[in-house]
Amino acid sequence: GDSVTQMEGPVTLSEEAFLTINCTYTATGYPSLFWYVQYPGEGLQLLLKATKADDKGSNKGFEATYRKETTSFHLEKGSVQVSDSAVYFCALTSNSGNTPLVFGKGTRLSVIA
Amino acid sequence: GAVVSQHPSWVICKSGTSVKIECRSLDFQATTMFWYRQFPKQSLMLMATSNEGSKATYEQGVEKDKFLINHASLTLSTLTVTSAHPEDSSFYICSAPRTSGDNEQFFGPGTRLTVL
Repeated sequence: GDSVTQMEGPVTLSEEAFLTINCTYTATGYPSLFWYVQYPGEGLQLLLKATKADDKGSNKGFEATYRKETTSFHLEKGSVQVSDSAVYFCALTSNSGNTPLVFGKGTRLSVIA
Repeated sequence: GAVVSQHPSWVICKSGTSVKIECRSLDFQATTMFWYRQFPKQSLMLMATSNEGSKATYEQGVEKDKFLINHASLTLSTLTVTSAHPEDSSFYICSAPRTSGDNEQFFGPGTRLTVL
């Protein structure tokens, strides 16, 4: 079945450091790919998405490119802030409609001033 | 963007009681909704798929008699945790997919259940 693998955390960075959180996937067909963020005590919020190969999703300084050749969707940000501290989930869903998301295990990011 | 609400946002109950959690799509119709469970510092695990007008589909290992799901209308799904026990304490999250185009799912804010 479909699966998502993300780098293990926690990740601790200093403010203004460069962030990469690796995500690779296994899926049949052509899934849509997502990054969700969960701040402490809150639900999930969509951070960015990409629906086809070579698409780049971006939001709030975060970027991820759908790489079909490497089945990857790595999350990057050039300069993190303390307010970016959260848990980040990579996820996919097939494009056949009304199918649930398959989540990675999540990566906890802590940014220190 | 589309909005999904959950009620209550948190609940504390005694062991043996039942708790109902509501999930509503506020500005779109959802023939399907998903219920997830999240343990502390872990990922979301799909519990079941709620289908309007038909029975829910449960994931392997999820007790359907314990976690009752009713998709009462195109905008409402409910999850009832029956005879709750402390091990049922968790964060329950629902989501509803937008069926146009990109399959984006919209998540409710979650319900934190604590069973004493």
